[in-house]
Amino acid sequence: QSALTQPASVSGSPGQSITISCTGTSSDVGGYDYVSWYQQHPGKAPKLMIYEVSNRPSGVPDRFSGSKSGNTASLTISGLQAEDEADYYCCSYTSSTTLVFGGGTKLTVL
Amino acid sequence: EVQLLESGGGLVQPGGSLRLSCVASGFTFSSYAMGWVRQAPGKGLEWVSSISGYGVSTSYADSVKGRFTISRDNSKNTLYLQMNSLRAEDTAVYYCAKGIGGLKYGIDYWGQGALVTVSS
Repeated sequence: QSALTQPASVSGSPGQSITISCTGTSSDVGGYDYVSWYQQHPGKAPKLMIYEVSNRPSGVPDRFSGSKSGNTASLTISGLQAEDEADYYCCSYTSSTTLVFGGGTKLTVL
Repeated sequence: EVQLLESGGGLVQPGGSLRLSCVASGFTFSSYAMGWVRQAPGKGLEWVSSISGYGVSTSYADSVKGRFTISRDNSKNTLYLQMNSLRAEDTAVYYCAKGIGGLKYGIDYWGQGALVTVSS
């Protein structure tokens, strides 16, 4: 199972919006509405930010939103804040009843 | 409060075995799928294995299939990962993960991680 494709890095200034893409295939991202997104700060465990494509767990700011079109899912962060600087990973359920993560995207807040 | 506490990590020689444990608290353990996700040093996340709430259904990444076995003891609120025939590329921090119902919906809680180092 190949990893989902994410950009290695993205950046933005405080207050701006950024979008991180996550591209898979019809056997994973495109085939199911089971895409989740995780934020990971250095040395810490990942944190769930979005589940089932666009749902936000309680406690996650509404600045974080998710969507999907075809085989590509996206995480958008609006109103960037310094504390948003972290690594972000997408994850999808697959037709093999497994899970697959993206390679991760490093977000830098300038 | 949901807590997941891993133990059992350490240094092991190539070809050796290790068993990770994860003690869960703060939720009805048997009602949720659980799994393991690993992260090699400086690398991204990799899903390893999942198990259903009552242990009937399991799945594995191709990279560990036939070498690792996931299991759970709902009477002890404990998840296990038996790792055999370990290789250098299995070196990673292993996270215990709780699913939102099933893991396919998302992982809502993670343990602090257990470091496994495979080296001679």
